[in-house]
Amino acid sequence: AAGVIQSPRHLIKEKRETATLKCYPIPRHDTVYWYQQGPGQDPQFLISFYEKMQSDKGSIPDRFSAQQFSDYHSELNMSSLELGDSALYFCASSLESGGTYEQYFGPGTRLTVT
Amino acid sequence: GQNIDQPTEMTATEGAIVQINCTYQTSGFNGLFWYQQHAGEAPTFLSYNVLDGLEEKGRFSSFLSRSKGYSYLLLKELQMKDSASYLCAATDSNYQLIWGAGTKLIIKP
Repeated sequence: AAGVIQSPRHLIKEKRETATLKCYPIPRHDTVYWYQQGPGQDPQFLISFYEKMQSDKGSIPDRFSAQQFSDYHSELNMSSLELGDSALYFCASSLESGGTYEQYFGPGTRLTVT
Repeated sequence: GQNIDQPTEMTATEGAIVQINCTYQTSGFNGLFWYQQHAGEAPTFLSYNVLDGLEEKGRFSSFLSRSKGYSYLLLKELQMKDSASYLCAATDSNYQLIWGAGTKLIIKP
């Protein structure tokens, strides 16, 4: 079965650079979530989109922005990167219109800021 | 405030049974999830409970008591590959997931 796809899997950037992470949800899923997970920490919710509209916002810094496109893929744009942004970034998708809220996670993008 | 509590770490023996507890306090409640996460990998869905009672799925079972704000994940016939972190997450009134910090389960031969 198709799963959530994230790219790139690994990314190394320098401080103050920008990064774009991409997420392709499971086909026909209508909701996408972005999470940031530091070492030994639980996933921190950043932002979510339902049917291409922002549905919820968590602890996403102002330096970050995200959007969901017409084909349902989503991009997380990160600017003015800081060392503390080094983390695993997960994208998850779900079919909320189906009444279930199980989130299926992608493999993650490991971002290292040097 | 919203809060999820679960033990930081547990150790069990291969072939045994282990129960991982989770208590939650959320603004509204729309179900509780358990996820398994191996180090450096994505969380994978294990179970979802929205009604009181026990849900059994193979070697894994999950229990929920809404009145007590309590859930547990029961793992039977433990295998070495079950060594992972187990994350409890409750959905609040906005269906947003509130995550626990995870329980690191160490399986010993």
